[in-house]
Amino acid sequence: AQSVAQPEDQVNVAEGNPLTVKCTYSVSGNPYLFWYVQYPNRGLQFLLKYITGDNLVKGSYGFEAEFNKSQTSFHLKKPSALVSDSALYFCAVRDILTGGGNKLTFGTGTQLKVEL
Amino acid sequence: NAGVTQTPKFQVLKTGQSMTLQCAQDMNHEYMSWYRQDPGMGLRLIHYSVGAGITDQGEVPNGYNVSRSTTEDFPLRLLSAAPSQTSVYFCASSYSARQETQYFGPGTRLLVL
Repeated sequence: AQSVAQPEDQVNVAEGNPLTVKCTYSVSGNPYLFWYVQYPNRGLQFLLKYITGDNLVKGSYGFEAEFNKSQTSFHLKKPSALVSDSALYFCAVRDILTGGGNKLTFGTGTQLKVEL
Repeated sequence: NAGVTQTPKFQVLKTGQSMTLQCAQDMNHEYMSWYRQDPGMGLRLIHYSVGAGITDQGEVPNGYNVSRSTTEDFPLRLLSAAPSQTSVYFCASSYSARQETQYFGPGTRLLVL
């Protein structure tokens, strides 16, 4: 079964500093990887995805993620954090189901807190 | 486009009551799914539909029913609510089952007493 792990429950960073939210994965075959963000009392918003191609993927709101096949990682990064980036971040991997559907298997989430 | 909409936003039920969580999308997406979100567990797939008239079970389907009579709507039914179904429920959709990006609704927070 495919899985993702987010080893940090919370990440604290000062505004203006770079941030990294970690994700590692375990899949059979080629991974389809995603990052979603959830603001308080809101649904999940798509940030970016890796399907194939360049290992550095750029997404919304200045976020990017680096795919590393040898380390089975897909860490989310941003060069300069903003207080408004404070939210819950989920890494996910897509799994194709036998019924023809697809399932996103999510990590447990990492709470990002950006402070002034 | 309104995207994916869900109603109600919040609901309190008593054990044994039934209710339907509504989900609609106006993007002409073929694929729709329901997830539940519980603390420390991420999101888990309940049911999904690859098109009107076709549904299938996800990883935690027990206690839930779905139907898909139209492309736009994908309601989730709790036949006899249990406290274990206290959760936040998210509906998601994508253009097709194979399209990678799913778009999520704002969620329904359900409390079963």
